[in-house]
Amino acid sequence: DTAVSQTPKYLVTQMGNDKSIKCEQNLGHDTMYWYKQDSKKFLKIMFSYNNKELIINETVPNRFSPKSPDKAHLNLHINSLELGDSAVYFCASSQGGSFHNEQFFGPGTRLTVL
Amino acid sequence: AQSVAQPEDQVNVAEGNPLTVKCTYSVSGNPYLFWYVQYPNRGLQFLLKYITGDNLVKGSYGFEAEFNKSQTSFHLKKPSALVSDSALYFCAVRDSGAGSYQLTFGKGTKLSVIP
Repeated sequence: DTAVSQTPKYLVTQMGNDKSIKCEQNLGHDTMYWYKQDSKKFLKIMFSYNNKELIINETVPNRFSPKSPDKAHLNLHINSLELGDSAVYFCASSQGGSFHNEQFFGPGTRLTVL
Repeated sequence: AQSVAQPEDQVNVAEGNPLTVKCTYSVSGNPYLFWYVQYPNRGLQFLLKYITGDNLVKGSYGFEAEFNKSQTSFHLKKPSALVSDSALYFCAVRDSGAGSYQLTFGKGTKLSVIP
């Protein structure tokens, strides 16, 4: 009955590879987010989708591409992985109809690029 | 532009003592303010929020926060700290005047409660 789930939990890969992280929420929310948390725990928004429409697209390398097949899913695909991509990636969701609704976070995916 | 500052990287407090984790913000309109907690190797969990109304907001696990518009602050407080409160705390703000979905987080404050 996990609210926001991510797979995989850990991802270890070589530089130059392509990988995907999947996120699903069963809260019925219409807005989903991807965040990157670096080694200093700084949390940075990357993307957000509302009803499958991209509404936040921060300055991230175009090697990162989000895909939202439906309101309950938001996947993150990363091409040509680099050492600097190593971080913990969090998915989150909220009911986006109002700007003051809190976000619910997944458990995170720890990506290590070797 | 919206921004939030957490001036302390770490706060240490003895178990049973009151705790305060500080947060200040900057927005062009009215602020929507949030506190989240992150336990080791976990995602962020929502604690409480201020939208409008009473300046003192009560949240989960006995935490509360006081909104102070003149000082642009939203400090997190708890009357009596528990060892289990030890975690990383994030303050976040959204500018109601910006019409944006984006939530800006502070850099986090590590709270250590000493037995």
